Amino acid sequence: AQRVTQPEKLLSVFKGAPVELKCNYSYSGSPELFWYVQYSRQRLQLLLRHISRESIKGFTADLNKGETSFHLKKPFAQEEDSAMYYCALTGNTDKLIFGTGTRLQVFP
Amino acid sequence: DTEVTQTPKHLVMGMTNKKSLKCEQHMGHRAMYWYKQKAKKPPELMFVYSYEKLSINESVPSRFSPECPNSSLLNLHLHALQPEDSALYLCASSRTGEGTEAFFGQGTRLTVV
Repeated sequence: AQRVTQPEKLLSVFKGAPVELKCNYSYSGSPELFWYVQYSRQRLQLLLRHISRESIKGFTADLNKGETSFHLKKPFAQEEDSAMYYCALTGNTDKLIFGTGTRLQVFP
Repeated sequence: DTEVTQTPKHLVMGMTNKKSLKCEQHMGHRAMYWYKQKAKKPPELMFVYSYEKLSINESVPSRFSPECPNSSLLNLHLHALQPEDSALYLCASSRTGEGTEAFFGQGTRLTVV
């Protein structure tokens, strides 16, 4: 069965502080992992995916198969990063499953 | 056109009404999804269509009936809903489904009275 766990409902940091949003997954096959972001009053959109191994808006995420984790990191948070972040997983089926989400608040 | 368009944006319906939610994309995507999202909760997968065929039904009650008339359109027919069905209904599409990026619509805010 596919499962995504995000242990933190809320993460609050000050501008310029490092950020790490945690994501752990459970999947018996080869997973594809994603981070989606939902800014206030905007649609859900892809932030990054593990297969592309790129940095978007300063965020990176590395898939750690040993620890079954896909944590999202940014060295210096900005106020405009405040949003809801969802870790998501798909495998060799059409199912795209979301974690419970972490709200990131960046204070000035 | 890189958008998924959902209509209507808002819908209020009685428990005896029949209504439909519509979703459209012109990106040539072959997988389309319906999700339900309650306040402060993640999107919950309801249905997936792959190449215009229903490939996943996450044990959704029959009062929700999906339809994919063609590769660009996805409908969700609603009948005899309950107040607890009130939620934001999201449509998404992706190129093939497996491991590809999903693009989301803005959603239809449904209120059942």
